[in-house]
Amino acid sequence: EAQVTQNPRYLITVTGKKLTVTCSQNMNHEYMSWYRQDPGLGLRQIYYSMNVEVTDKGDVPEGYKVSRKEKRNFPLILESPSPNQTSLYFCASSYTSNNYGYTFGSGTRLTVV
Amino acid sequence: ILNVEQSPQSLHVQEGDSTNFTCSFPSSNFYALHWYRWETAKSPEALFVMTLNGDEKKKGRISATLNTKEGYSYLYIKGSQPEDSATYLCALDNFNKFYFGSGTKLNVKP
Repeated sequence: EAQVTQNPRYLITVTGKKLTVTCSQNMNHEYMSWYRQDPGLGLRQIYYSMNVEVTDKGDVPEGYKVSRKEKRNFPLILESPSPNQTSLYFCASSYTSNNYGYTFGSGTRLTVV
Repeated sequence: ILNVEQSPQSLHVQEGDSTNFTCSFPSSNFYALHWYRWETAKSPEALFVMTLNGDEKKKGRISATLNTKEGYSYLYIKGSQPEDSATYLCALDNFNKFYFGSGTKLNVKP
């Protein structure tokens, strides 16, 4: 089944403790992206990647890192999480042409206390 | 940051009603316009991707139109059903940077 897999689905952590949210897709998509969703706001793009070893900042990259060492994986790294990073995170992927829209992962609900 | 606005914020209709929502975007920053349907506790699912001025796309009872010159897109649902209840998102593709609107939450009462 074609899908984007995010892990974990839920995570509660403490301020300053490094964490990684994994994202993997099995559709050979070139383009991958991370978003956060907060109440009253639309999905906001954190980082995106056009292909292996090519990443770029979205609208809200502060406090996040990403890497794209393999085509299928695009992990989101929070080196020192803070409470304002408490949010619902989505990974998404598509072909570069993006004629069919994104395929989204199931989401990761992160709480930083 | 590009401002993508959706209206209305929420909408309550009766089963069988037809309805439409609007997505507005800066017309000078345009590569493509996406529509997604997002049901509660699920992930957004792609409905349409439109690139050309005057584009019209249809999927069953749902259709969308695009006006890139004036910077808006309409999503239409004909004969709404309770299973159409969801949040409908539009997103502006500004050459690989995406800007989502806050969505229109549709509730269809049986």
